[in-house]
Amino acid sequence: DTEVTQTPKHLVMGMTNKKSLKCEQHMGHRAMYWYKQKAKKPPELMFVYSYEKLSINESVPSRFSPECPNSSLLNLHLHALQPEDSALYLCASSREIISYEQYFGPGTRLTVT
Amino acid sequence: EDQVTQSPEALRLQEGESSSLNCSYTVSGLRGLFWYRQDPGKGPEFLFTLYSAGEEKEKERLKATLTKKESFLHITAPKPEDSATYLCAVPDSGGGADGLTFGKGTHLIIQP
Repeated sequence: DTEVTQTPKHLVMGMTNKKSLKCEQHMGHRAMYWYKQKAKKPPELMFVYSYEKLSINESVPSRFSPECPNSSLLNLHLHALQPEDSALYLCASSREIISYEQYFGPGTRLTVT
Repeated sequence: EDQVTQSPEALRLQEGESSSLNCSYTVSGLRGLFWYRQDPGKGPEFLFTLYSAGEEKEKERLKATLTKKESFLHITAPKPEDSATYLCAVPDSGGGADGLTFGKGTHLIIQP
């Protein structure tokens, strides 16, 4: 089983809202990732967790806050987003952080109004 | 800086018309090259991993190959359901967060 699940599938939020995206995998993978994908563009890395420790991507604004409660779960907390943050947010996992294929979830389509 | 370039950007084929997609890369110390398929509005679906020049992998109508500078995804006798965007990616080789650097993809359309 190579399934990564993400909830919700769609999310519409205002610029003053606080919301969270959730991701789960049960493959025993020790690395989990958040990517952002705009229309007709490839996915762009936002955050990486390895053994539940964060590797920070410095180019990501602080209005995005990741959390890894345990080795199977990954959250992305959203606060005070801008309309340009509207995108498909993808979660992925891999066995380890280096040289292993990543398996992606179906994504959350986020619209910021 | 790692670079991954895919060509062509878009490709339209007739059903049964075989072709190849190209992915050229410039990375310091390749630690694998990955091919993905992505349907509109969905997450990328993993297809293949290649680690060393000369390596080949096959799955149904798809065959991936790797040289020291590029990878090819060969599609033999494609069907309309093969229509998708095909992405290649390499692991980041720099310091800091370790994710994948993706090419811009090839948008493949197979016409019945």
